[in-house]
Amino acid sequence: DTGVSQNPRHKITKRGQNVTFRCDPISEHNRLYWYRQTLGQGPEFLTYFQNEAQLEKSRLLSDRFSAERPKGSFSTLEIQRTEQGDSAMYLCASSFSTENTIYFGEGSWLTVV
Amino acid sequence: GIQVEQSPPDLILQEGANSTLRCNFSDSVNNLQWFHQNPWGQLINLFYIPSGTKQNGRLSATTVATERYSLLYISSSQTTDSGVYFCAVEGFVFGPGTRLSVLP
Repeated sequence: DTGVSQNPRHKITKRGQNVTFRCDPISEHNRLYWYRQTLGQGPEFLTYFQNEAQLEKSRLLSDRFSAERPKGSFSTLEIQRTEQGDSAMYLCASSFSTENTIYFGEGSWLTVV
Repeated sequence: GIQVEQSPPDLILQEGANSTLRCNFSDSVNNLQWFHQNPWGQLINLFYIPSGTKQNGRLSATTVATERYSLLYISSSQTTDSGVYFCAVEGFVFGPGTRLSVLP
């Protein structure tokens, strides 16, 4: 049984470039969550999916951010025109809708230079 | 929106000591979880506990939903317990965390 998998684990990009992160949830988990965490802070919710439907989006998710879960399995989080303030760890998590325990991946670190 | 507070913000213990971490939330919740983030950044789910008491080894948690707080108890602490402990409500709102350092 594999856990939540995130790729890439680390990404350094120049300001203005686009980046995409991928998350593979625990198989058969129908809920998938994205969070952002900066140093010294707790995770901040960005968005979540139930199957392929995006059910909730935080106001933190500006129009430069887009997330998809096209077939209800893996998900991608794309950040367009990156800014230095986007530097953070992006966390993915998954759960069953009938069992609320959330399982996190190891995170994807983004550094915008 | 719902607010989550945690106390204390930092805690330093000698190995073998016991501790209590607190999480206060501003509204009724259906979902409360405790997580441990290790020094490498991995978040591990400790408890799903919207109400009542649960125990898992040296850890236990109690949520008093009517009074809007939850407590995490760590007994006989070990150096591997070091890290940051977060409570989260409804899966969406995390508290600021309690940073625990257990010294050998």
